[in-house]
Amino acid sequence: GQNIDQPTEMTATEGAIVQINCTYQTSGFNGLFWYQQHAGEAPTFLSYNVLDGLEEKGRFSSFLSRSKGYSYLLLKELQMKDSASYLCAPRGLTGGGNKLTFGTGTQLKVEL
Amino acid sequence: DTGVSQNPRHKITKRGQNVTFRCDPISEHNRLYWYRQTLGQGPEFLTYFQNEAQLEKSRLLSDRFSAERPKGSFSTLEIQRTEQGDSAMYLCASTNPQGAGANVLTFGAGSRLTVL
Repeated sequence: GQNIDQPTEMTATEGAIVQINCTYQTSGFNGLFWYQQHAGEAPTFLSYNVLDGLEEKGRFSSFLSRSKGYSYLLLKELQMKDSASYLCAPRGLTGGGNKLTFGTGTQLKVEL
Repeated sequence: DTGVSQNPRHKITKRGQNVTFRCDPISEHNRLYWYRQTLGQGPEFLTYFQNEAQLEKSRLLSDRFSAERPKGSFSTLEIQRTEQGDSAMYLCASTNPQGAGANVLTFGAGSRLTVL
């Protein structure tokens, strides 16, 4: 089975930097995804890590440590539109290798 | 291509009724997934198709639930004898193991079910 742990809520200020942590325990691991989900909308892809280290993509970066079962999503220069739920999702070996198991999500609130 | 399309977007039904949701994936994607999401939770895996073959089902998928993908293109998810606990957002996602964006699940906007 899989166990995924991420904070339920976080609050940050516009223009600031926020780090959302995720720890996971999986029976099979094939990479880790981060998705963003605005209320009432579909999850949208943010990042994918399969090897250890940092992947940077504009204002968003994601880090993975496979030995520690740990990932984080770093959001820089926060904007109000970044207020959303951020879902950590390890990828398993079943489901064609594309099955994602999602955490409960971290609800980020960006304030002025 | 307009992405993954789901309909209806909203469905309100009375307990005991049957409901069916449809998903049209991105045309070149051969893998299709159904997830269920309740308020404050992340999406939970229900089932997965590769082309027309249903290759994996979650234990969450009781015998009241059935999914099909008859021609390897669109898929339907039917819930029979709905219960209030079935109230959730039903999300469909598709992907292709090769090519641009390989293995990234692209989600539809979901079908929200409310069982009264």
